[in-house]
Amino acid sequence: AQSVTQLDSQVPVFEEAPVELRCNYSSSVSVYLFWYVQYPNQGLQLLLKYLSGSTLVKGINGFEAEFNKSQTSFHLRKPSVHISDTAEYFCAVSSNSGYSTLTFGKGTMLLVSP
Amino acid sequence: DSGVTQTPKHLITATGQRVTLRCSPRSGDLSVYWYQQSLDQGLQFLIQYYNGEERAKGNILERFSAQQFPDLHSELNLSSLELGDSALYFCASSPSGTSGSLGWTDTQYFGPGTRLTVL
Repeated sequence: AQSVTQLDSQVPVFEEAPVELRCNYSSSVSVYLFWYVQYPNQGLQLLLKYLSGSTLVKGINGFEAEFNKSQTSFHLRKPSVHISDTAEYFCAVSSNSGYSTLTFGKGTMLLVSP
Repeated sequence: DSGVTQTPKHLITATGQRVTLRCSPRSGDLSVYWYQQSLDQGLQFLIQYYNGEERAKGNILERFSAQQFPDLHSELNLSSLELGDSALYFCASSPSGTSGSLGWTDTQYFGPGTRLTVL
């Protein structure tokens, strides 16, 4: 079985400050990892995904994430946030072997203030 | 706009009733996924269909069922509704969705959701 833990339910930050949203996963096999963003009253949108290769993954809107296998983490970062980044962010995992489903974390609400 | 449409946007019904949620995928996408988002359970994958066939199953209750039609639109049927079924139900689509783990490498495009309220 696989699971995802997003360590912070809310992260308040000032505009133009850097931010890191933390995600740890648990799986007995190798994984694919995803970050999705959900803006208020909208569906989810894929920010980035790690399938294989380089552990540093760049996504849309200036976000990036680093896959760390030894620490089973996939933290999301942005060097300078904007007000428009205020949203809920979900980390998700699926296994890359055999039958798999997609498991989401509980989400982290990023609150960007002026 | 992701290109995925869901109807209705809002649905209010009573316990014990049955409802049908509809999803039209992006043009050309063969896979449809259903998700439930609630305050209690968070975001949960329910079921995936690929070109009319069930491909993967998640935390879907036996009271719930889905199907994908020849024109690739999908319906999620929820029956014997309980208060706890109140949630936002999302549909997503992706281009392929080949079996097992490979399907999850696709980028999924989410619809705006259907908010179900069970009174």
